[in-house]
Amino acid sequence: KNQVEQSPQSLIILEGKNCTLQCNYTVSPFSNLRWYKQDTGRGPVSLTIMTFSENTKSNGRYTATLDADTKQSSLHITASQLSDSASYICVVSDRGSTLGRLYFGRGTQLTVWP
Amino acid sequence: EADIYQTPRYLVIGTGKKITLECSQTMGHDKMYWYQQDPGMELHLIHYSYGVNSTEKGDLSSESTVSRIRTEHFPLTLESARPSHTSQYLCASSESMRGTSSKWTGELFFGEGSRLTVL
Repeated sequence: KNQVEQSPQSLIILEGKNCTLQCNYTVSPFSNLRWYKQDTGRGPVSLTIMTFSENTKSNGRYTATLDADTKQSSLHITASQLSDSASYICVVSDRGSTLGRLYFGRGTQLTVWP
Repeated sequence: EADIYQTPRYLVIGTGKKITLECSQTMGHDKMYWYQQDPGMELHLIHYSYGVNSTEKGDLSSESTVSRIRTEHFPLTLESARPSHTSQYLCASSESMRGTSSKWTGELFFGEGSRLTVL
């Protein structure tokens, strides 16, 4: 069964600290993996998109890694800011059709305290 | 920044009322989607469209209906709202793959969401 599991479910860190969010998936065949940031009451916004051949991709203070062999991805946030408080959603796409069916994780709720 | 808009952002209505959630995008995307999201849960696809006059039901059964008369517009309608319809509804769009472009990612662009509460 194609699934996307994220951990931890929630995380609280102090401003300025680093953190790493995890995403494990069983989706096959694999097309790409995306990380989205969703602020409370808003729509998700894309942070990174990674394909099979990409191991690391950065977007400012966000760095995503992908290990296609172990089917794991991580999102590392450096020097956290209060505005990083949000839900981070991992989304995996398969290659089953031109639509590329999407499988969503439940997200990790990150809270950054001052 | 994504150019996809949803209205209303918040709606509180009584049981039995008919409601329409509006979604418009100005990016010329062929593909559009409606997702339902409850707190702490993953997004569930309830409807999608590949283009004008094309609509399909998603993975999650929904009593809502959609239409796609124009490329930029993808409204969702509930003929008779019930408390079980209370949820966050997210509209999204993505571009279609053109030829064999290696740059196509199928990225979803989301609207801000419509929070529906049925009393």
